[in-house]
Amino acid sequence: EAQVTQNPRYLITVTGKKLTVTCSQNMNHEYMSWYRQDPGLGLRQIYYSMNVEVTDKGDVPEGYKVSRKEKRNFPLILESPSPNQTSLYFCASSKGTPELYNEQFFGPGTRLTVL
Amino acid sequence: DQQVKQNSPSLSVQEGRISILNCDYTNSMFDYFLWYKKYPAEGPTFLISISSIKDKNEDGRFTVFLNKSAKHLSLHIVPSQPGDSAVYFCAASAGNQFYFGTGTSLTVIP
Repeated sequence: EAQVTQNPRYLITVTGKKLTVTCSQNMNHEYMSWYRQDPGLGLRQIYYSMNVEVTDKGDVPEGYKVSRKEKRNFPLILESPSPNQTSLYFCASSKGTPELYNEQFFGPGTRLTVL
Repeated sequence: DQQVKQNSPSLSVQEGRISILNCDYTNSMFDYFLWYKKYPAEGPTFLISISSIKDKNEDGRFTVFLNKSAKHLSLHIVPSQPGDSAVYFCAASAGNQFYFGTGTSLTVIP
């Protein structure tokens, strides 16, 4: 089954404790992206990657890191989480760049709470 | 600053009638516009898109209209069904980035 998986689905942590949210897709997609969803703000793009070893900042990259060492995986790293990073996070992928393939497939989301 | 805006947080429609969801944007450089549908506890799913060079795109019960001069986008669902009850996000792309609205929660009343 074609899908985007995220782990964990739920996470409660404390300020400053490094964490990683994993994202994996099995569709051989080139473009991958991370979003956060907050009430009244919709989804905002954090980082995106157009291919292996190619990543770029989205609208709200502060406090986040990403890496793209393999095509299928795009982990989101919070090196020193803070309470304002409490949010619902979505990973997404698409065949290629938005100009050619604008349909994105989203994972089920990761609910993160930072105390 | 929000470049894509959905000013109606919620909308209720009777089953069988038309649902019209609206979206406004500020960036004239947007290439594509999209609508996504989201059920609780799931990720958004793609519904329909339109290129900035077109003014209408249809897919079954769903039609998206684009008015570039007004920087306005709308999604029409005809006829509306109870299974259409969800949160709808409009989105736009410029270069390699996507920008989403805040969502409109649609309730279709049987």
